[in-house]
Amino acid sequence: GNSVTQMEGPVTLSEEAFLTINCTYTATGYPSLFWYVQYPGEGLQLLLKATKADDKGSNKGFEATYRKETTSFHLEKGSVQVSDSAVYFCALSDTTVGTGGSYIPTFGRGTSLIVHP
Amino acid sequence: GAGVSQSPSNKVTEKGKDVELRCDPISGHTALYWYRQSLGQGLEFLIYFQGNSAPDKSGLPSDRFSAERTGGSVSTLTIQRTQQEDSAVYLCASSLDPSGELFFGEGSRLTVL
Repeated sequence: GNSVTQMEGPVTLSEEAFLTINCTYTATGYPSLFWYVQYPGEGLQLLLKATKADDKGSNKGFEATYRKETTSFHLEKGSVQVSDSAVYFCALSDTTVGTGGSYIPTFGRGTSLIVHP
Repeated sequence: GAGVSQSPSNKVTEKGKDVELRCDPISGHTALYWYRQSLGQGLEFLIYFQGNSAPDKSGLPSDRFSAERTGGSVSTLTIQRTQQEDSAVYLCASSLDPSGELFFGEGSRLTVL
């Protein structure tokens, strides 16, 4: 079956620090990969995505590269802000349906990011 | 509205009562998902609809949980004889393409006393 593993939180950083949140996955097909963000008191929203190997998704200064060889999709940002404090979820959606595959998006457990001024 | 709408936003109930949670997806989105988010946990998949049919009910935790979708639109998640362990935020999401981006509602927070 499909699974997503992301680093445990919380991650606590000072403003302008470099951010990496690790995400690795297991999938039976050719998945699309996503990062969702949940700001305090709000619903989840898409941050960025990549649909095939070597694609780089980017948005709001965040980026992640789809690495098929290491089955990873690590989230990075060069300089975090207090407003980036949120919970970040890595997810995959299998783009093929076959034995063991499904269209059910699979989420990691989420990583809480706290940025201090 | 333009987004996914869920109601109620908050529900406090007594153990043993039944509850209904409603999800109104984005118009035209054929795929609809229910997830459960418990404190300190990730998103637990409950059920998926494609149109009005539910090809995958594998995530429903017990037979106390059921869901339906009518007219390819509104969905209702029903929990019978609620237990304290049912306390969580229930999230609904919809999508144009089952393998694409999900659009989430703000969730229904259920507290079972």
